[in-house]
Amino acid sequence: DAGVTQSPTHLIKTRGQHVTLRCSPISGHKSVSWYQQVLGQGPQFIFQYYEKEERGRGNFPDRFSARQFPNYSSELNVNALLLGDSALYLCASSLEQGGFKQYFGPGTRLTVT
Amino acid sequence: QKEVEQDPGPLSVPEGAIVSLNCTYSNSAFQYFMWYRQYSRKGPELLMYTYSSGNKEDGRFTAQVDKSSKYISLFIRDSQPSDSATYLCAMSEPNAGGTSYGKLTFGQGTILTVHP
Repeated sequence: DAGVTQSPTHLIKTRGQHVTLRCSPISGHKSVSWYQQVLGQGPQFIFQYYEKEERGRGNFPDRFSARQFPNYSSELNVNALLLGDSALYLCASSLEQGGFKQYFGPGTRLTVT
Repeated sequence: QKEVEQDPGPLSVPEGAIVSLNCTYSNSAFQYFMWYRQYSRKGPELLMYTYSSGNKEDGRFTAQVDKSSKYISLFIRDSQPSDSATYLCAMSEPNAGGTSYGKLTFGQGTILTVHP
């Protein structure tokens, strides 16, 4: 079975622009979570979705938003990009609603210039 | 103070050594405890997870949780060069409605190098 897939792999954007990152969970998994990982740090929780409903939100500004589609794929949107948004954005999927047992994708590396 | 503290290392050991990785935490609400391995420029890979205090063993890996001390450990026996990676501890607490444990709080990660 394919693991979690994310697109694109790399992305370079300019300050003030908008970006959309995409994630497809493991087949059969209904929960998707998003994390931001800055170089040298552990991942920071952004959102969790289960069955298209938001189940958790981390301490990120409203410039960050996400949604989950009927096929359980998800996208993360970031508006008005700042230099500090440069990071590896990770998507994780989980089979159950509880969602603690998460399997991560390879990430999208975003560089904001 | 961070909710989860992890010594970033780096830690360098010879092949065959026993490796001990540790995290401390301050949030009593954490109920699930995970260890992830992350190779350079890759996503984290789930190694082990535990719920209660005690030990859990899987091959060369042993995870320990001591909730009374708010301290978790991962031991790697007979370490191999392929174990060289960043090891992340992660912890989960229920959301406000108690319906999800999907918010993982990670430590900073410990960089491990096992040299032949």
